[in-house]
Amino acid sequence: NAGVTQTPKFQVLKTGQSMTLQCAQDMNHEYMSWYRQDPGMGLRLIHYSVGAGITDQGEVPNGYNVSRSTTEDFPLRLLSAAPSQTSVYFCASSYSDTTGGLNYGYTFGSGTRLTVV
Amino acid sequence: KQEVTQIPAALSVPEGENLVLNCSFTDSAIYNLQWFRQDPGKGLTSLLLIQSSQREQTSGRLNASLDKSSGRSTLYIAASQPGDSATYLCAVQQGAQKLVFGQGTRLTINP
Repeated sequence: NAGVTQTPKFQVLKTGQSMTLQCAQDMNHEYMSWYRQDPGMGLRLIHYSVGAGITDQGEVPNGYNVSRSTTEDFPLRLLSAAPSQTSVYFCASSYSDTTGGLNYGYTFGSGTRLTVV
Repeated sequence: KQEVTQIPAALSVPEGENLVLNCSFTDSAIYNLQWFRQDPGKGLTSLLLIQSSQREQTSGRLNASLDKSSGRSTLYIAASQPGDSATYLCAVQQGAQKLVFGQGTRLTINP
């Protein structure tokens, strides 16, 4: 059971380049989300998904796109990288009970450290 | 807007001491509160989750409490060990799977 797998672990981009950060989970979790972690800012939500085909914006969505075609995968796309997107990116998955009430906790990937020069 | 604050930002104690980390939040309308551990350069490891209807959770030497009405949670670590050294993050969940994090407490346990 691998949990949440993120690739790549490290990436250097030039300003204006595009790329996709991959995230996959094998726990059949319905919910997936992307966070970025910056010094002094903590972790902030970028985008999230409550199921295949359903995505929504978080606190800092500008410059990022997501899609959720399967339960397992939730890629994050940087359309035109900017130095302000230099950060550590974390993908997370979670699930709740059948009534949609109680959440049973989040599992985080190990992160992607992105530098935009 | 929900704000989560963790105090202190850093803490250094000798091995064997019991210690308390604090977390406060401004909006009591939360689904749950989670404590995570993050080692340098690593991801987040979930330690304890307290549902909004619960008052505390325990796992081994860790005990977390939640007082929704006052907007506070504490993480109690008993008999601290050097392996407990890490950054501890508190996060509250608010609707639609959104976690709001504090900035963490960096804990150092000195042998």
